[in-house]
Amino acid sequence: SQQGEEDPQALSIQEGENATMNCSYKTSINNLQWYRQNSGRGLVHLILIRSNEREKHSGRLRVTLDTSKKSSSLLITASRAADTASYFCATVYTGGGNKLTFGTGTQLKVEL
Amino acid sequence: DAGVTQSPTHLIKTRGQQVTLRCSPKSGHDTVSWYQQALGQGPQFIFQYYEEEERQRGNFPDRFSGHQFPNYSSELNVNALLLGDSALYLCASSLAGGKVEQYFGPGTRLTVT
Repeated sequence: SQQGEEDPQALSIQEGENATMNCSYKTSINNLQWYRQNSGRGLVHLILIRSNEREKHSGRLRVTLDTSKKSSSLLITASRAADTASYFCATVYTGGGNKLTFGTGTQLKVEL
Repeated sequence: DAGVTQSPTHLIKTRGQQVTLRCSPKSGHDTVSWYQQALGQGPQFIFQYYEEEERQRGNFPDRFSGHQFPNYSSELNVNALLLGDSALYLCASSLAGGKVEQYFGPGTRLTVT
């Protein structure tokens, strides 16, 4: 079963705008990761945030984590057409080894 | 530095048949995990191999089995295929001992007719 859900399910924005995706999860985690998937192919790791971190940046990506609310958000700033993809959050939960439990994903479309 | 590779890219099988999918991990990685991704869904964990043994298993029936070889490559076997087994099968590699990012291959698209 999926660990959590992502919101929104789909998002359409104009190039240059910011895109924000949210992820909720259910159990205590060790870390939370965000992945991108283009056209139903392999996943590309974007960023990992540990349970004792609140915010992390990587290039145009900003991730926040609120363990009290069991939620995370991914912000992509100054989006580009090449950012069009599906984005998934995945959790590694405490006591669960290092298997990834994925959310349902957000489909992002960036239009020119 | 070669990334994770998977073969074949696409596969069409008939109900009741058996299938074997293959995965070579990223150079330097010793742990291989397999995921099943149905259309429109997030990937679901099948199992993980380290030191040639299954270390963790998700909620999948015994029809799903695997193997890891001494060179860390891995196979996923599915017996008695069902229509519901149609999915993208993803292999991911990582280093053991750490809750770190996993590197995914391009996947094998399995269609069961």
